Amino acid sequence: GIQVEQSPPDLILQEGANSTLRCNFSDSVNNLQWFHQNPWGQLINLFYIPSGTKQNGRLSATTVATERYSLLYISSSQTTDSGVYFCAVRNFLRYTDKLIFGTGTRLQVFP
Amino acid sequence: SAVISQKPSRDICQRGTSLTIQCQVDSQVTMMFWYRQQPGQSLTLIATANQGSEATYESGFVIDKFPISRPNLTFSTLTVSNMSPEDSSIYLCSVLRLTEAFFGQGTRLTVV
Repeated sequence: GIQVEQSPPDLILQEGANSTLRCNFSDSVNNLQWFHQNPWGQLINLFYIPSGTKQNGRLSATTVATERYSLLYISSSQTTDSGVYFCAVRNFLRYTDKLIFGTGTRLQVFP
Repeated sequence: SAVISQKPSRDICQRGTSLTIQCQVDSQVTMMFWYRQQPGQSLTLIATANQGSEATYESGFVIDKFPISRPNLTFSTLTVSNMSPEDSSIYLCSVLRLTEAFFGQGTRLTVV
């Protein structure tokens, strides 16, 4: 099956700093999503981005499918950005509909 | 997007007992997915639930431990049976809307 690795595993920032989170995957995919898991455990959809670039406020994401990686950019970080960020991939033509989650990046933003 | 209501949101249970988690979706879906997230870990798929057929379990998960029901196209339950402290996790249900996955709020289970 597909292996999904995220880096860095942990990230500590001061409020206002920028950061880049990376997601590498081992096989071709036709579905990639980024999620934010808040301290209460809820998964919040950030981006559906199998390829290309998208932006939503202070967050943006880029997926280069041919090179098997995706990047999540967080600018001007806020304490509410704290939590765990997951990427998840799927190849529904080869591996049915199973969504494979990455290892996660735990982000802590301090005031 | 999809509106998914999952309950209970949290529970503390005695070892040896069972807990049933419910997941209600705002519109009909073909497949519903159940995930487990152990403390400090990523999410792992337990099983895929199709209406009208047996659930399909992933390697390492068995029906006797995690029985699933799917009585209609908007509802599913996951039971965690004969619980032990190792079952303490967050359990989440998920659906696909077009090709995007959406998740319920999760059930934080602690087994004592």
